[in-house]
Amino acid sequence: GAGVSQSPRYKVAKRGQDVALRCDPISGHVSLFWYQQALGQGPEFLTYFQNEAQLDKSGLPSDRFFAERPEGSVSTLKIQRTQQEDSAVYLCASSESGRSYNEQFFGPGTRLTVL
Amino acid sequence: GESVGLHLPTLSVQEGDNSIINCAYSNSASDYFIWYKQESGKGPQFIIDIRSNMDKRQGQRVTVLLNKTVKHLSLQIAATQPGDSAVYFCAERGKGAQKLVFGQGTRLTINP
Repeated sequence: GAGVSQSPRYKVAKRGQDVALRCDPISGHVSLFWYQQALGQGPEFLTYFQNEAQLDKSGLPSDRFFAERPEGSVSTLKIQRTQQEDSAVYLCASSESGRSYNEQFFGPGTRLTVL
Repeated sequence: GESVGLHLPTLSVQEGDNSIINCAYSNSASDYFIWYKQESGKGPQFIIDIRSNMDKRQGQRVTVLLNKTVKHLSLQIAATQPGDSAVYFCAERGKGAQKLVFGQGTRLTINP
């Protein structure tokens, strides 16, 4: 079956530009997560949705980062006025429910390069 | 703050040998641990998990050991194959929490 998909796979932005990254979770999955993975590092949590509700955004590094999931399915991570330190792979994951022991399935990520 | 880390950043083993990847964690409140495999250009792929009320769990060619006394987690891969070459991450989740906290990762290389 279809897994988590993300688009675009690669994005190059000039410093100061706004970008929007899309995540299509596995159909029917209630929970959706965004992680940021810097080169050579493990993923770091950004934010979490249960259906359309954003229950945890403690990992968003600044108010330039904004995420939404208006209909409880597709999610968009928006970064305004991009800076070089925003360069990373942005991973989306979904899980079946909000229970703690549900496996998180990851997408392939979007590699963002800010010049 | 809470953190999960790894002892060895790289590991190279001969095909067919067994490998052990280690991980230390600092959050004693964590109750769920997961090992992920990440190949180049792909997202992390679930390998095996273990809850804090267990000390060992086995899967196909993989075993995870949890030592809560010293806050140590390990992944054993038996009879390694070329397809096992990847970066391996341990991750933990606090009780009642949803987010995963990942370690830095260990790159495993299988030599033919």
